[in-house]
Amino acid sequence: GQQLNQSPQSMFIQEGEDVSMNCTSSSIFNTWLWYKQDPGEGPVLLIALYKAGELTSNGRLTAQFGITRKDSFLNISASIPSDVGIYFCAGRDTGNQFYFGTGTSLTVIP
Amino acid sequence: DGGITQSPKYLFRKEGQNVTLSCEQNLNHDAMYWYRQDPGQGLRLIYYSQIVNDFQKGDIAEGYSVSREKKESFPLTVTSAQKNPTAFYLCASSNYRTGSNQPQHFGDGTRLSIL
Repeated sequence: GQQLNQSPQSMFIQEGEDVSMNCTSSSIFNTWLWYKQDPGEGPVLLIALYKAGELTSNGRLTAQFGITRKDSFLNISASIPSDVGIYFCAGRDTGNQFYFGTGTSLTVIP
Repeated sequence: DGGITQSPKYLFRKEGQNVTLSCEQNLNHDAMYWYRQDPGQGLRLIYYSQIVNDFQKGDIAEGYSVSREKKESFPLTVTSAQKNPTAFYLCASSNYRTGSNQPQHFGDGTRLSIL
């Protein structure tokens, strides 16, 4: 099955810095999703995007649905220690199939 | 509260043994999914079901079996044919209707280990 190309694979940042990660696919999606997973837990939905060009915020998190419908990015502003975890992108194609990125591991240094 | 419940949280399997992982949802979602997650890797789809009494193989179905007798429940059996079952297993659900864009929601996972 298709795996989304998610980058970067890992990030080490200082507390207070902004973070940016992105996902690209080879096919068109009609939904983009961003999840956060803490160790030993299931992924939790952060932001859902449903329209090309859509820009949605959830607190310090902002995500955008790319105009081409083949990419999305997630920004985290003013990072804090509890932002640590693995962030996954996911997309839903026109056939209603879900695909997941390989994750971005975020470490925040106090 | 509505949600997805996976049990047990931790499970140990002996060689040659079948084990069953439970997944129950009270979100009234049509579709349910099972994923396998290995350390440092993304999610790989094992099986999914879009309606009761119907399910489809995902990318890594060999050595696994499922049933969908009720809308709320989608148990996964890891059979003795699965030679490398140690992993973190995640169950998810979503609404499935043509034109619906509803996202997947996940349970808290079951960690399976070999004794």
